Amino acid sequence: EPEVTQTPSHQVTQMGQEVILRCVPISNHLYFYWYRQILGQKVEFLVSFYNNEISEKSEIFDDQFSVERPDGSNFTLKIRSTKLEDSAMYFCASSEEQGLNQPQHFGDGTRLSIL
Amino acid sequence: AQSVTQLGSHVSVSEGALVLLRCNYSSSVPPYLFWYVQYPNQGLQLLLKYTTGATLVKGINGFEAEFKKSETSFHLTKPSAHMSDAAEYFCAAIIQGAQKLVFGQGTRLTINP
Repeated sequence: EPEVTQTPSHQVTQMGQEVILRCVPISNHLYFYWYRQILGQKVEFLVSFYNNEISEKSEIFDDQFSVERPDGSNFTLKIRSTKLEDSAMYFCASSEEQGLNQPQHFGDGTRLSIL
Repeated sequence: AQSVTQLGSHVSVSEGALVLLRCNYSSSVPPYLFWYVQYPNQGLQLLLKYTTGATLVKGINGFEAEFKKSETSFHLTKPSAHMSDAAEYFCAAIIQGAQKLVFGQGTRLTINP
């Protein structure tokens, strides 16, 4: 069964540094998402992306965050200047269509640790 | 605002016993509802979903859930727990026409031998 893959599985970064989290969505999917889960808290929506542009974003997704689909397969999340509170598990997801009968398929996540 | 509440952050049952994980949603219109499972060091795997039609939905691994509009609930059940069911379970909702999943806080299921 096709999978969403995320790399790296664990990223350790110094505060203030830039970090890029990478995702390869399922190949025929058109909608892409990033979520995060701070330890002990709920999984929270960050951003959705369709047709090469952001279609929805949460309050969390401020100017420090950006997403990009640099080629036909990768979908990246960049945090420009990391803060301690950015430490979390970041999940990428993709779906064929928006919500509804085509559920979002999740990757295994990248654990981001900010020192 | 839409929200999802899972009653009980930790549920413990004996192997072979009934599993019941509770989920309630708050929304002005009935959302689409999902249960995801997360095994240790893995991502979120879809167990089952409710969109329209039959309110009792069956998923993988013997799980099922029933949508009850009058109770704004979507509880997850399994008649007989297996050791392999030990995991974290997340209820999630999406409003028709929206894109983002709204998650509950998760319930960690422990199975006792």
